Order: sequence, then structure tokens, then C-alpha cells
Amino acid sequence: EIVLTQSPGTLSLSPGERATLSCRASQSVSSSYLVWYQQKPGQAPGLLIYGASTRATGIPDRFSGSGSGTDFTLTISRLEPEDFAVYYCQQYTSSPYTFGQGTKLEIK
Amino acid sequence: EVQLVESGGGLVQPGRSLRLSCAASGFTFDDYAMHWVRQAPGKGLEWVSGISWNSGSIGYADSVKGRFTISRDNAKNSLYLQMNSLRAEDTALYYCVRRYCSGDNCYSDYWGQGTLVTVSS
Repeated sequence: EIVLTQSPGTLSLSPGERATLSCRASQSVSSSYLVWYQQKPGQAPGLLIYGASTRATGIPDRFSGSGSGTDFTLTISRLEPEDFAVYYCQQYTSSPYTFGQGTKLEIK
Repeated sequence: EVQLVESGGGLVQPGRSLRLSCAASGFTFDDYAMHWVRQAPGKGLEWVSGISWNSGSIGYADSVKGRFTISRDNAKNSLYLQMNSLRAEDTALYYCVRRYCSGDNCYSDYWGQGTLVTVSS
């Protein structure tokens, strides 16, 4: 089983700042199958980034993804109030299709 | 419009069974693999199980293997999760999720709103 470890667990930032979220895999993950989701309170998760770096439809360009192998990063260039949420990475390289434990992005 | 509507959740005693259903609409159901993902109260996401479009490939998380069974009925545009020998740690919101694969990419593009399963005596 591929274990995904996200860091930090909680990130406290102010609107306008840059956020960098990490997702580290216990073994190599195909970039094609590394996905990021955003979840707001009381809502189902929503697709944010797929293929490690491709934004989903309607996702603003302040969101970007990068990485390969075992290290992946989600960057939000300038935080907007609506970006404060929980972010999860998931791998589809091999079953079970595990998630990271999540990073909570909170307003400082 | 793609819709995934889960049902069948509720309060159940430890050791008992429950069957979840997911009614899909707005897309060609048998073109897609489908998954169940759960989220315990205040916790993160956990992939539970997945099934290919023709039921030919099925997978489970270790935490549910041998107790849960995923199935689908393409004629009814429905996905199911039979949950046996339920434990307190199975308490969670269960999401029905569509998996989209195109070229080199796969991802979960649509999620239902979830059905809550509570295992307690």
C-alpha cells in the first residue's frame, strides 16, 4: 500500500500570502495519477488538480501543482478568503487508492 | 447534469449489516469505474472500494476486506456497498464517487453528498 503523508497538518496564513502544501509518497507514484482535492466544511470534496499539475475545469490559475516520483506540491500563489479549506492528495497508481491525511489551511 | 445520490445509511449495532446504494444519473453509467470513499466524523478521507465499469476489476481497502462487498447494476445505473460485521470504526459519511480516466490521467471528478453510517450499540 502506498502511504501518502501531507505536511504541514495545519497551515495558518493570511489572505494574499502564498501557500505551499506537500504530499510525500512512501513509494514512487506516477505523476499521471496524483490528484489534489479541496474540501470545505459541510461539503463533499471537489477536484482541484489532476495529473499532478493540470488544473480542473474552473479552477483559478493561482492554484498550481508540481512534483514527481515521491514528492508533490500544491501551491496557491495569493490566498483568497474562499481558499481556506482542507486539501487532500490521492494516488491512483495502485490499489488501494490512498489519500493523504489532509492539510487544513486556516486564516491567521 | 451528473448526479450521485447515496442512500441506505443509518444507525446499526456492531456486528450487523447494512447495504448502501448510489443512484447515478446524467451520464452513461457503464462507461465509468465507481468508488466508495468514507470520512469519519472530523477525520480525513479514506478510499474504501472501487469497481470497474463491467465489474471485472474490484478492489478494497485492507480495513474492509472480507467484510464489505462492492457491486453495481448497470441496467439500474446503481452502485452498491454491502457492509457486514460492522464495527464502531466504520462510522463515517460514505461518498459515492465517479472515477474518470482519459489518456494517462485518472481522477475522481464527481462526488455524491454522502450517506451517514453510525455503528453503535
